[in-house]
Amino acid sequence: GQQVMQIPQYQHVQEGEDFTTYCNSSTTLSNIQWYKQRPGGHPVFLIQLVKSGEVKKQKRLTFQFGEAKKNSSLHITATQTTDVGTYFCAGLHAGGTSYGKLTFGQGTILTVHP
Amino acid sequence: DGGITQSPKYLFRKEGQNVTLSCEQNLNHDAMYWYRQDPGQGLRLIYYSQIVNDFQKGDIAEGYSVSREKKESFPLTVTSAQKNPTAFYLCASRIATRRMNTGELFFGEGSRLTVL
Repeated sequence: GQQVMQIPQYQHVQEGEDFTTYCNSSTTLSNIQWYKQRPGGHPVFLIQLVKSGEVKKQKRLTFQFGEAKKNSSLHITATQTTDVGTYFCAGLHAGGTSYGKLTFGQGTILTVHP
Repeated sequence: DGGITQSPKYLFRKEGQNVTLSCEQNLNHDAMYWYRQDPGQGLRLIYYSQIVNDFQKGDIAEGYSVSREKKESFPLTVTSAQKNPTAFYLCASRIATRRMNTGELFFGEGSRLTVL
């Protein structure tokens, strides 16, 4: 079936270090979205990437969408304790019978040590 | 305020009982989704609906059922056939049409089901 794999599952960093999480889809995606879930909360939308090779930045966060629209990454520069949480990618499948299906990766749990 | 409301927030049930989780949105969104979250497994798609009176199975639909009789509502029933129903259930919605297959998901606060 259509899967979105995300690595690593866990990442522990010291405050100020960088962090990257990667997503890979078994099929071509229409677009990819990123979400952050704080401990005890629900996922909150961060960004959506639509175009092949697209790069978007939000302050210390950089998001990339691969040329083949099958992979994506989220990079955080100089992590802060407020970055703690689980980061998910979610792939929207392109068409056919799976139109509208939004599949999440397993998530990366980020811990930041002060 | 517009948003998605899930109820109940916490639910305890005995094994073998069916349970229905409510999800209501007043965002005028077309598409609605149910996800199950277990520790270390991320969000797994149970069912989704792009339009009223139509829904599709997700990746783990066995033991669950849904209905979409109104645009605002997408209740999920966890049946006794679901072998391991204890989990955190998240409902979400987004704007979605055939012409615009984009749009962020808005999540409810979740329902935590514990089967005793």
